[in-house]
Amino acid sequence: DAKTTQPPSMDCAEGRAANLPCNHSTISGNEYVYWYRQIHSQGPQYIIHGLKNNETNEMASLIITEDRKSSTLILPHATLRDTAVYYCIVRGGDNAGNNRKLIWGLGTSLAVNP
Amino acid sequence: SAVISQKPSRDICQRGTSLTIQCQVDSQVTMMFWYRQQPGQSLTLIATANQGSEATYESGFVIDKFPISRPNLTFSTLTVSNMSPEDSSIYLCSARTGVRNSPLHFGNGTRLTVT
Repeated sequence: DAKTTQPPSMDCAEGRAANLPCNHSTISGNEYVYWYRQIHSQGPQYIIHGLKNNETNEMASLIITEDRKSSTLILPHATLRDTAVYYCIVRGGDNAGNNRKLIWGLGTSLAVNP
Repeated sequence: SAVISQKPSRDICQRGTSLTIQCQVDSQVTMMFWYRQQPGQSLTLIATANQGSEATYESGFVIDKFPISRPNLTFSTLTVSNMSPEDSSIYLCSARTGVRNSPLHFGNGTRLTVT
């Protein structure tokens, strides 16, 4: 599975958009990009995933570059509750459809400030 | 999405003892996994819990130390055996529902402290 690179920390003002970047320059054609976050003392929470098209759900938007070598998670109106560690992961299944394990980095620690 | 419940949420145990962590999913899932998250670190996969057969362990993890059961499609247990302080960690159960490339969902973890 492709490795990802994320900044270790970011700050964002409450009410503003938080844009979290992720580089995955070795991503292969069948690998999806997944974003999770982990709020202190909780298990990771799935946010969104995509293959090559931009995606949006009730939590966030995912923008994937045309060459798929990087992506950005956008929290449109960050709140204090969005303070968490955000993980970007790429993963695809093999030809048999079996699950490849996720490789978790250290993520980006996002601090939303009042 | 699946809701995953883990018990206990935390425990303090003496070295040399064992602790069994339970993971219950509110729906049938195809795959269940156990992770460890040591203080200040990211997640490390311990094993894949296979329904009706032996778990598949990752490098560095062995069945004698981390026996796993998965008797059906909604339940799994992880035992941390013969504990030492180095086993102090958060242990997380996760599961995937639906088709290939569906996301993982996680329980809130078990915070284990070994004294």
